[in-house]
Amino acid sequence: KAGVTQTPRYLIKTRGQQVTLSCSPISGHRSVSWYQQTPGQGLQFLFEYFSETQRNKGNFPGRFSGRQFSNSRSEMNVSTLELGDSALYLCASSLERAGGTEAFFGQGTRLTVV
Amino acid sequence: KNEVEQSPQNLTAQEGEFITINCSYSVGISALHWLQQHPGGGIVSLFMLSSGKKKHGRLIATINIQEKHSSLHITASHPRDSAVYICALGAQKLVFGQGTRLTINP
Repeated sequence: KAGVTQTPRYLIKTRGQQVTLSCSPISGHRSVSWYQQTPGQGLQFLFEYFSETQRNKGNFPGRFSGRQFSNSRSEMNVSTLELGDSALYLCASSLERAGGTEAFFGQGTRLTVV
Repeated sequence: KNEVEQSPQNLTAQEGEFITINCSYSVGISALHWLQQHPGGGIVSLFMLSSGKKKHGRLIATINIQEKHSSLHITASHPRDSAVYICALGAQKLVFGQGTRLTINP
């Protein structure tokens, strides 16, 4: 069974540009969550999508947005990039079960804003 | 005060030693996760706990719901166990501890 796939793995962008990151969840998983990891703030929740609807949202500015497609693949977009957006962006897919919900993480996309 | 506190922040040990990493939290939870992150970034889920104890190979995780505390133990530690170990609360909207950087020297 394939794991969570994130593309691209590495990305360099210039301030002011916008970027789109992609996440393909494990087959059958309908929930996709996005996280930002920086040395200063650690891991922080961005948002979660379930069946094409944003179900939870973290405390990030509106420049950060996302969407989910009918096949559960998800994209996140960051507009008007700032230097502080340089981070590792991780997505996790999960399957809700009676015993609990385990998250499976992708390898991440490392974004550098210059 | 953070909702999730891990200790220690850094831990260096010799191969073969018994390792304990602690996680304390201040909120009610549906589940607690132990995650492992190697250099390069990828995160692997080690355990998901809502009560009691789980064991997988040389790894053991325990949780005490009343005391809001969990521990991750590594028996017979090995250099390949060197990584950052992260405690996280919740389900789809995880709240993370700051991580414990573990280094096992041969």
